[in-house]
Amino acid sequence: IQMTQSPSSLSASVGDRVTITCRASQSINNYLAWFQQKPGQAPKSLIYASSSLQSGVPSKFSGSGSGTDFTLTINSLQPEDFATYYCQQYDSYPFTFGGGTKVAIK
Amino acid sequence: EVQLLESGGGLVQPGGSLRLSCAASGFTFISYSMLWVRQAPGKGLEWVSSISGDTATTYYADSVKGRFTISRDNSKNTLYLQMNSLRAEDTAVYYCAKCISGCHKGGIDYWGQGTLVTVSS
Repeated sequence: IQMTQSPSSLSASVGDRVTITCRASQSINNYLAWFQQKPGQAPKSLIYASSSLQSGVPSKFSGSGSGTDFTLTINSLQPEDFATYYCQQYDSYPFTFGGGTKVAIK
Repeated sequence: EVQLLESGGGLVQPGGSLRLSCAASGFTFISYSMLWVRQAPGKGLEWVSSISGDTATTYYADSVKGRFTISRDNSKNTLYLQMNSLRAEDTAVYYCAKCISGCHKGGIDYWGQGTLVTVSS
């Protein structure tokens, strides 16, 4: 299953609302996760099952979608949110990741 | 607190072998499936392999099938990745990760800090 993220990069300002999309090449039901990765760090799990927040993740992050189209929304962007975001499907093996979306400061 | 600590990375020549370890703590290790994900320098994330809690089920990416073996020692709370016939394209940071329950239709909740494997002569 191919996972296509868009955009591959974006520039935003502190306080902005940002939306990242992820499209699967076939239905993955809601078995979609989102991860955040900062330079030199391991990925951090944000969302699983398309819209469920991992423990400790602030509610400014939200996910939605089912089937083939999914979105990650970040409200009120803060300096610590500038990072690369990846989606991943775990509906079927081999698990696959999107190419990533780099969120940079405008 | 869940902790995953990888070790065993390093520089190895093409065709060589390496075994990665991931020491787990803070949860009942046998109850959770685990997996390995890698990231080549400057590239995205790539799933490598998964294993069920009871070791009965394993899965591999085509790129490593027949060369890598995932295993776990539940008495030692440790996950392993035996890597043989290494190639330059295996150069990456290797992360171990814990699945929410099973990995298939379960998802990942925690990640280790990663260990760098460099395959070069």
